[in-house]
Amino acid sequence: RKEVEQDPGPFNVPEGATVAFNCTYSNSASQSFFWYRQDCRKEPKLLMSVYSSGNEDGRFTAQLNRASQYISLLIRDSKLSDSATYLCVVLYTGGFKTIFGAGTRLFVKA
Amino acid sequence: NAGVTQTPKFRILKIGQSMTLQCTQDMNHNYMYWYRQDPGMGLKLIYYSVGAGITDKGEVPNGYNVSRSTTEDFPLRLELAAPSQTSVYFCASSKTVGDTQYFGPGTRLTVL
Repeated sequence: RKEVEQDPGPFNVPEGATVAFNCTYSNSASQSFFWYRQDCRKEPKLLMSVYSSGNEDGRFTAQLNRASQYISLLIRDSKLSDSATYLCVVLYTGGFKTIFGAGTRLFVKA
Repeated sequence: NAGVTQTPKFRILKIGQSMTLQCTQDMNHNYMYWYRQDPGMGLKLIYYSVGAGITDKGEVPNGYNVSRSTTEDFPLRLELAAPSQTSVYFCASSKTVGDTQYFGPGTRLTVL
């Protein structure tokens, strides 16, 4: 079992739609969680950190469920520019270990 | 600020050749990282550094070496290139271990 798992997609949604991605992690010693965005053939860039209480940044909402060991990303009112791959990232305590998920591809269509 | 810069952008190597991938950051970050990303896969940590003179292995260090003589530079050395090292290599830096990682634009390496 992979340490961080994501549905690879692709998710094909129309503009204006709401779409949600989940990411599961296997190690309960996980400390920090992030969502990164990666455009085609580009470097990853931080989209948002994920806090225990959940957090929102404009159209994006991130949630953490430690009991079930997953994090989620909700995108409301999707834009064409949201088309990208979304990477789930988990940082573990007790050592220097950052694990990237393989990513979920999103295509937003006009 | 340039952020994190990497050179070269592209490179084709023959099996057995060696090369150095360059990485420089101008944000005065202590932490620097090298990742590789294979198609359809997540980034895998090759090596990391917590400051000048200090480096350590990540998840997939075999076939690579690093050095960190200055805060700004963190070169990655490939010795005896193999086809399995065909990948996209990203360098990143962060202020602290749990902080945002800023990535360079990547080096696309093909070993034939």
